[in-house]
Amino acid sequence: DVKVTQSSRYLVKRTGEKVFLECVQDMDHENMFWYRQDPGLGLRLIYFSYDVKMKEKGDIPEGYSVSREKKERFSLILESASTNQTSMYLCASSGQGTANEKLFFGSGTQLSVL
Amino acid sequence: GNSVTQMEGPVTLSEEAFLTINCTYTATGYPSLFWYVQYPGEGLQLLLKATKADDKGSNKGFEATYRKETTSFHLEKGSVQVSDSAVYFCARAIPSGSARQLTFGSGTQLTVLP
Repeated sequence: DVKVTQSSRYLVKRTGEKVFLECVQDMDHENMFWYRQDPGLGLRLIYFSYDVKMKEKGDIPEGYSVSREKKERFSLILESASTNQTSMYLCASSGQGTANEKLFFGSGTQLSVL
Repeated sequence: GNSVTQMEGPVTLSEEAFLTINCTYTATGYPSLFWYVQYPGEGLQLLLKATKADDKGSNKGFEATYRKETTSFHLEKGSVQVSDSAVYFCARAIPSGSARQLTFGSGTQLTVLP
């Protein structure tokens, strides 16, 4: 069974902390994505990566950075967490060509910044 | 631009009722269209898709028809079950060739009561 695994289901951090959210996929997918999900706003793309060490900004990259050192792993970094980054974070992956239209999602990490 | 507008929720129905969740998109060319579903505590998963005008996507009793003339892709099911309770997201592909392929609507929460 194909899988996208996010390291934590729930996370509580304090304002100003550096936060790492980890995502691993076992499908050998080229593309990986980080979204945040907020009520009434749906999914908004933060960053995505189409290859190892490659990254592109999504719609709301401010306050975030990413790292893709290995094909299977895509990390989201909050350099200095703020309360407005309290949200559900979803990682996803997809293959190449027309297959890149089908995303496989992890179960999400609910981050609370106090 | 590339956007998706879907019916605001929440939607509450009794079991065996008819379901419609409206979705419209802005038209730049003929993008592929999708419905994703998010069950409680899980990530999103693809429910159905349609890749060209007049195509009908279907899965698990759900259907949606790609209507070019009304730029719509409404989700329907003739008889909902309690297990259909979930959040439903309409999405369209961005025809840019980039790995960043999908724009999502804001999601519609469906609750089906026994």
